[in-house]
Amino acid sequence: DAGVIQSPRHEVTEMGQEVTLRCKPISGHNSLFWYRQTMMRGLELLIYFNNNVPIDDSGMPEDRFSAKMPNASFSTLKIQPSEPRDSAVYFCASNSGQGQETQYFGPGTRLLVL
Amino acid sequence: AQSVTQPDIHITVSEGASLELRCNYSYGATPYLFWYVQSPGQGLQLLLKYFSGDTLVQGIKGFEAEFKRSQSSFNLRKPSVHWSDAAEYFCAVGPWGTYKYIFGTGTRLKVLA
Repeated sequence: DAGVIQSPRHEVTEMGQEVTLRCKPISGHNSLFWYRQTMMRGLELLIYFNNNVPIDDSGMPEDRFSAKMPNASFSTLKIQPSEPRDSAVYFCASNSGQGQETQYFGPGTRLLVL
Repeated sequence: AQSVTQPDIHITVSEGASLELRCNYSYGATPYLFWYVQSPGQGLQLLLKYFSGDTLVQGIKGFEAEFKRSQSSFNLRKPSVHWSDAAEYFCAVGPWGTYKYIFGTGTRLKVLA
């Protein structure tokens, strides 16, 4: 199994630009999670999808952030416009969504907004 | 409020020495507890988890953790550390049947040769 795949692994952009992060969950998993990791706040859940439907987006910091899951094998997290304070590592995770299942994390996207 | 505390930000041990990483939690119901490891440039990998049963849980890579309800702790241990164990370790707690894990701020482990 290839595991959770994220792209790009690194992204450097300038303030005001649009940033799109991509995630491919493990095949057969029907739950997907986006997390943000910063030194100040640690690891925070941004949004949770189940069967491609957003269930909980209470962690999305503001309207500049949006996430979609058009099908079971692909999700995007978009930041528009980006700001320097968005600099962080963004992780995608997935699981089978049945009960209390282990979340499997991707390698993350390290975002730097200048 | 639900919370997870990892009191040690950094720990340095010599290769071959024993290791204990501390994790304390505050949770109203029976918690579901996890330890994850994050190697440099990598995602988080599950080491072990606990919900019920034997309070001493065995995980991968020779790690174990002990759940102590009276102390609200779930400390991670390894009898002999290897250089490849250098990484950041995260404790997490979550309610049974849901997805909302609360992660600690992590403990960064350095291993001296």
